[in-house]
This record gives sequence, C-alpha cells and structure tokens, in this order.
Amino acid sequence: EAGVAQSPRYKIIEKRQSVAFWCNPISGHATLYWYQQILGQGPKLLIQFQNNGVVDDSQLPKDRFSAERLKGVDSTLKIQPAKLEDSAVYLCASSPRTGAYNGYTFGSGTRLTVV
Amino acid sequence: GQQLNQSPQSMFIQEGEDVSMNCTSSSIFNTWLWYKQEPGEGPVLLIALYKAGELTSNGRLTAQFGITRKDSFLNISASIPSDVGIYFCAYMNYGGSQGNLIFGKGTKLSVKP
Repeated sequence: EAGVAQSPRYKIIEKRQSVAFWCNPISGHATLYWYQQILGQGPKLLIQFQNNGVVDDSQLPKDRFSAERLKGVDSTLKIQPAKLEDSAVYLCASSPRTGAYNGYTFGSGTRLTVV
Repeated sequence: GQQLNQSPQSMFIQEGEDVSMNCTSSSIFNTWLWYKQEPGEGPVLLIALYKAGELTSNGRLTAQFGITRKDSFLNISASIPSDVGIYFCAYMNYGGSQGNLIFGKGTKLSVKP
C-alpha cells in the first residue's frame, strides 16, 4: 500500500512570499489532516477534511493560510504571505475515517524555511 | 484540546541502556497512544493503550496506561542506535465530531554506540 505522498520535501522562501504544499493521501482514506510542526514541538493540527468538506479548521490562521481538498482526494495548503514564524515542517496525514487512529498515516512532510 | 506534558525533553544514553519516559495530563483519557518520529519522517504509531492499568509490549518497547488515566509510561529496553528519534504521546480528540490526534511536545532520544 502506497503511503501519504507530499511535495515538495523542502522549500525556502522570503517573508511575504507565497508557498503551496501538496498532499496525496492513501487511496480510499476519507479523512485528511494538515499539521504544523515547529522545531522542538509536537505536530499541531491546522485543518481536517472529511472527503472534500472541512471538519475542523479552528487552529488555521485564516488571514494567511488556506487549504482545499478538491474531489475529496488530493489537498493543497497555501500560505500567503509567509512570515518568519511559519518556518516549520508541514505534515499531511490521512485515515480511513474520522476518529480512526489505526491506519492514521503521516507523510514525510515539507520543511519550510522562511528567511 | 488538552495539553500533554512529556518528560524528559531529551535523553542521551549509551547503547544497551534502558530508557523510561512519561506523559501526563490534567484530563482523563480513554486511550493513550505512543508514536516515534525519525529524522525527516512523519510520526509512526508504536503502541496503543485502551484500559487503565494496561501494560502492552511491542518488541523491546513496553507502555503502560496509568491507573488514574491521566498518565502513561513508555520503556525501551536494551537500546540500540536505531531507537534514535522523538517519541510522542498522543490522544484522539473526539471533541465535537472531529476525531483528530493531539500530541505532546516529545522526548528526543539520542543513543551513543
């Protein structure tokens, strides 16, 4: 079974620039998550999708972050404009259904550096 | 979500030593989860605990669900270099209808050959 695919692996941008990350979940997984992991901390949930609908985006900084999951499969996370404090690893995860930790699988992440 | 407190923050040990780490919360949980994150990878589930007092093993790893349901412990016996990584405790947040994982800050383990 293929895992959760993310791209790019690394990205360096200047502050105030825009950036987008892409995630392809495990086939058939209805639920998709985006997490932000700042150095030295655990992953923090940004947004959760159930199929192509948003279930929880309470911790997404909506003035600069946006995410979509068109057709309930792939997802993109965008930051516009980026700030220095957005430097982090952005992890995508998927699970068969909401609340299922068996099968809750993470991708390898995108490491973003904002300079 | 509730905050999880992990200790120690980091550990530097010699290969072959045993390791203990713990996780506490001010809230009661029905499930405790332990994850490992290796450099450049996402977290991977190691052990899931479902019942207070439960002791579960996965190879050289043993985890326990505290009796008070507010803490959990992870032990690694006879550590080897590939045990290097960050170990996170986590719980499944069922607030509302979300169902998503909430993580502690992690314990970073370094093993000297």
